[in-house]
Amino acid sequence: EAEVAQSPRYKITEKSQAVAFWCDPISGHATLYWYRQILGQGPELLVQFQDESVVDDSQLPKDRFSAERLKGVDSTLKIQPAELGDSAMYLCASSEETQYFGPGTRLLVL
Amino acid sequence: EDQVTQSPEALRLQEGESSSLNCSYTVSGLRGLFWYRQDPGKGPEFLFTLYSAGEEKEKERLKATLTKKESFLHITAPKPEDSATYLCAVAGTASKLTFGTGTRLQVTL
Repeated sequence: EAEVAQSPRYKITEKSQAVAFWCDPISGHATLYWYRQILGQGPELLVQFQDESVVDDSQLPKDRFSAERLKGVDSTLKIQPAELGDSAMYLCASSEETQYFGPGTRLLVL
Repeated sequence: EDQVTQSPEALRLQEGESSSLNCSYTVSGLRGLFWYRQDPGKGPEFLFTLYSAGEEKEKERLKATLTKKESFLHITAPKPEDSATYLCAVAGTASKLTFGTGTRLQVTL
């Protein structure tokens, strides 16, 4: 069964450092999403891609976060510099109609 | 703005004790209501999509129903392996998902 892949699964970094997360969506899914989930809350959309184009990045803190999907397949989300409040689970999802999620990357900023 | 409220926040059941989880929503132009299951430290796992009031879907011990204002996830004779957080989300005219904060379910022997 096809799955969304994410790496790394866990990342510990110090504040002011740069971090990057990678996502490989289910093959053939044109739409890709990055979410942030704080413990005890539901996922919140950061950015949505349709192929290589950004459809919605209204909730992405653009002063420190960036996302790209250069060839319309896999995607990278970057934070530079990381802050203590960025500690969360970062989830990638892809869809044709239904969104399927990857295992997530748990980020801890010290 | 789309909103989703889930209740209760946490629920503890004994094995075999049936119950229901509630998801109340407000959305402009419902395109779908989604239920996901999330185990600790993992990504949400898709369970159901409901599109219109009156629709019902079942999977093993779970049954999801939908009205114009809320959805219920009924759990019949739960087992310990059903313990997880259950997330409800809606997609409106913008197609993006708005999630609730989830119901943490614990099923004990």
